[in-house]
Amino acid sequence: AQSVAQPEDQVNVAEGNPLTVKCTYSVSGNPYLFWYVQYPNRGLQFLLKYITGDNLVKGSYGFEAEFNKSQTSFHLKKPSALVSDSALYFCAVRDLDTGGGNKLTFGTGTQLKVEL
Amino acid sequence: ETGVTQTPRHLVMGMTNKKSLKCEQHLGHNAMYWYKQSAKKPLELMFVYSLEERVENNSVPSRFSPECPNSSHLFLHLHTLQPEDSALYLCASSQQTGLVLVPDEQFFGPGTRLTVL
Repeated sequence: AQSVAQPEDQVNVAEGNPLTVKCTYSVSGNPYLFWYVQYPNRGLQFLLKYITGDNLVKGSYGFEAEFNKSQTSFHLKKPSALVSDSALYFCAVRDLDTGGGNKLTFGTGTQLKVEL
Repeated sequence: ETGVTQTPRHLVMGMTNKKSLKCEQHLGHNAMYWYKQSAKKPLELMFVYSLEERVENNSVPSRFSPECPNSSHLFLHLHTLQPEDSALYLCASSQQTGLVLVPDEQFFGPGTRLTVL
């Protein structure tokens, strides 16, 4: 079975400060990891993914995520937050080795609020 | 219109009504998905269609009935719903290459906000 945990319902950060949104995962085999973002009244948008290679993955809008196998984590980061980054962020995983069926497993989401 | 569109955007229905949600993707993808999004819960995958065949049904009650007439369109037919079915229903699409469905980098529609009275 595959699962994802996002331990924080909400993260507040001041504009210009670095931000981190946490994600931990559990899979039987090797993970295929994703971050999606959902703006108000919109569907989810793909941000970035990790499958193999460099543990630091760069994505859209200046976001990046770091894969840490020993800690089974895939935290989303951005060096300098913008008010426009305020949105709901979802981490997702698929188990590469067992196939994970036909699905991504999503976390519960973390609401990011960036204030002036 | 580009991307993935969903209609209606909002729907209020009684428990005895029958209604349908429509999804259309303009991306040339060959896999489509229905998800249910409820507050404070993980996104729940309901159905997956690949090459117009249903490949996944995640123990969804029979009051939800999907239909995929072609690779661009996906419907979710609703009947005798319960108030706990109130949620945001999201449609998504992705491109399958080869024989294995790779459900990654999905493109989502804006969703239909469903309220069951």
